[in-house]
Amino acid sequence: GAGVSQSPSNKVTEKGKDVELRCDPISGHTALYWYRQSLGQGLEFLIYFQGNSAPDKSGLPSDRFSAERPKGSFSTLEIQRTEQGDSAMYLCASSLGTSGRIQETQYFGPGTRLLVL
Amino acid sequence: AQSVSQHNHHVILSEAASLELGCNYSYGGTVNLFWYVQYPGQHLQLLLKYFSGDPLVKGIKGFEAEFIKSKFSFNLRKPSVQWSDTAEYFCAVNPISSGSARQLTFGSGTQLTVLP
Repeated sequence: GAGVSQSPSNKVTEKGKDVELRCDPISGHTALYWYRQSLGQGLEFLIYFQGNSAPDKSGLPSDRFSAERPKGSFSTLEIQRTEQGDSAMYLCASSLGTSGRIQETQYFGPGTRLLVL
Repeated sequence: AQSVSQHNHHVILSEAASLELGCNYSYGGTVNLFWYVQYPGQHLQLLLKYFSGDPLVKGIKGFEAEFIKSKFSFNLRKPSVQWSDTAEYFCAVNPISSGSARQLTFGSGTQLTVLP
């Protein structure tokens, strides 16, 4: 079956512009995660959705970052007034998210590479 | 906050050499443990995982990892590497008894280069 998909695969923008990244999880997965991978760094957790709610937003680096998952399916990550430090690979993952299940595997998408000039 | 350490940033081996990549985490409770691999130009793929039971877990492509609870370690091993194992390897931890039970905490990754 289809894996996690993300669009666009690459995004180049100018400092100060807003960008929106999209993630489509694996069909049937209710949990969705956003991570950021900066050059030479590991993955940094941003936000987690269970269905259409976000119980854990602890990783969002500033109020310029927001994410939505209005219908519990695809999700969008928006970065307002982008800065050069926002340049990174933004990765999305999904998992089954069954209530109470704690032994889950996250499956990752190909990522969106964001470059802020 | 929990952290994951991968002490080897870049490992270079010749084909057929044995591999061991270190991973240590700092969390005293129950954890799920993962190794992910990212081949050049590809996205992150699950290599193997430990949830419970036998602390020696086997993954794809001949990889295995051993969970040693007393050492807070989950080292990745392969007896004989191939050129196609050239990739970046990430250790990840999910502390299942904490409030942030869903997120994965990743190490900074180890780049493995296998020379033909």
